[in-house]
Amino acid sequence: AQSVTQPDIHITVSEGASLELRCNYSYGATPYLFWYVQSPGQGLQLLLKYFSGDTLVQGIKGFEAEFKRSQSSFNLRKPSVHWSDAAEYFCAADDYKLSFGAGTTVTVRA
Amino acid sequence: DVKVTQSSRYLVKRTGEKVFLECVQDMDHENMFWYRQDPGLGLRLIYFSYDVKMKEKGDIPEGYSVSREKKERFSLILESASTNQTSMYLCASSSMEFDSGRYEQYFGPGTRLTVT
Repeated sequence: AQSVTQPDIHITVSEGASLELRCNYSYGATPYLFWYVQSPGQGLQLLLKYFSGDTLVQGIKGFEAEFKRSQSSFNLRKPSVHWSDAAEYFCAADDYKLSFGAGTTVTVRA
Repeated sequence: DVKVTQSSRYLVKRTGEKVFLECVQDMDHENMFWYRQDPGLGLRLIYFSYDVKMKEKGDIPEGYSVSREKKERFSLILESASTNQTSMYLCASSSMEFDSGRYEQYFGPGTRLTVT
C-alpha cells in the first residue's frame, strides 16, 4: 500500500542549530512530494514541493529538501533554526490523492 | 492570494446531532477536499470532489457525507455525531493542473469539533 512515513515523532533542537526532518515514501512511481508546516492554532502552510528536475528544492522560511530516489526519501533541512520554527511538520505525497505522514513536532529551546 | 475559509474555528455538538461543516474557496478551483487531523495520525482524507455534484470517498468516509452544490462550496455532514468524531477538520482546494508543476492544495484554518 502507498504510504508516507515520518520516523521521528518529536525533535528538540537548540536555537541556531541545524534541523533535519526525515520522510520516506512507498509508492510504485515517484509521486509529487510536499512539506507542510502547521504552527500552533494555524492551518497548514506549504514549505516546498518537488515534482521533477533538480533534487534539491528550496522553499520558504529558509527550508530546503533533498529528493533521493534510491532511498525513497525527501528530507527537510534548515541550517539554523529560529524559535519561530517550533511547529508540526508534515511530509505528503500525491499521485492524484494526497497522503500525509503522521507529522514531526519540532521544539526549539533557547 | 488563494483563500479557503471554514465556517467555524471551534464547534461543540452533542452526540446524535446532525453537524454541518462548511468550506468556501475563492480561486475557482475544481477540486475540494475534507480531511480530519488527529494526533499521531496526520491528516486523513474523508471525501473529495472533482466537480460540482460529484464526490468520491477518501480513506475514512464512514459516518460522513458531503455536498457540493456550487463550485466554491463544499460541505461536510456528520449525520449523527459521535464522540469518536471529535477531531480537527481541514478543508482544502486545488486546481486540476496536476501535471503543471504549479499544483498544490491550499488549506483552510480548520474547525476543531468536539462531540460530547
